Amino acid sequence: GAVVSQHPSWVICKSGTSVKIECRSLDFQATTMFWYRQFPKQSLMLMATSNEGSKATYEQGVEKDKFLINHASLTLSTLTVTSAHPEDSSFYICSAFGSRAGRWYQETQYFGPGTRLLVL
Amino acid sequence: QKEVEQNSGPLSVPEGAIASLNCTYSDRGSQSFFWYRQYSGKSPELIMSIYSNGDKEDGRFTAQLNKASQYVSLLIRDSQPSDSATYLCAVNRGYGQNFVFGPGTRLSVLP
Repeated sequence: GAVVSQHPSWVICKSGTSVKIECRSLDFQATTMFWYRQFPKQSLMLMATSNEGSKATYEQGVEKDKFLINHASLTLSTLTVTSAHPEDSSFYICSAFGSRAGRWYQETQYFGPGTRLLVL
Repeated sequence: QKEVEQNSGPLSVPEGAIASLNCTYSDRGSQSFFWYRQYSGKSPELIMSIYSNGDKEDGRFTAQLNKASQYVSLLIRDSQPSDSATYLCAVNRGYGQNFVFGPGTRLSVLP
C-alpha cells in the first residue's frame, strides 16, 4: 500500500508548550489529508480535513485555534497543538487520501503510523 | 440510519474458524469499498478493497460485495489469534472525497 509517514512517533512535553506533528505522503500526491485523534479503547475521532492550499475544515467541537493545521504542499500537512495541556494527551493519526495508480475509484485513505503525545 | 453500519461486536471466534464481518451502507451510489484492520495501539491498515459485485480473495481474506443489497463483508478463513483487531469498513461514494468509515467491529480469535 501507499506509504504515509508521521513525525515524531512519540513526544512528551510540558503543559503550555506547543507541539508540531508532520504528516507526509511519500509515494503519491494527496490533495486531502485527515487528522484523527484516538483515546485508549475508543474509536477514531476525525478532527479536521485538510486540503492543499486552503484552510482546514474542523469537526464540531474541535478548537481551530488550538489545533492549527497547515497543508502547504501535496505531500505535507502539519498539525500544531498549541499550549498543550494534559487532556490533549492522545494518539494522533493522519491519513492521506488518494490513489497511487491515479484511478479515482481506487482512492482511499492511507494512514500514517500515528504520534503519541503525552503532556505532563 | 447511519451511512455505514457494522456488526456491533465484539465478535469472538475460535482459532481456525471462519470470521465473518459485515457492513451495510445507505448510499446506493457508493462506488468503492475498503476494509481496514486496526490493532490495539496502532493506526488502521488497509487490507482489502473491492469495487464490483462478487468475491475478491487475498490469501485468507475474502471480500464480498452485493451492491443490490448494499452489503459488503469480509471473511477471514482459518482465523488466527493474530487476526484479533478492530476491523473498519469504509465506503467511497465517488464524488469528491466523500469517504465514510463504519464504527468498526472488534474481533477476538480465541486460541
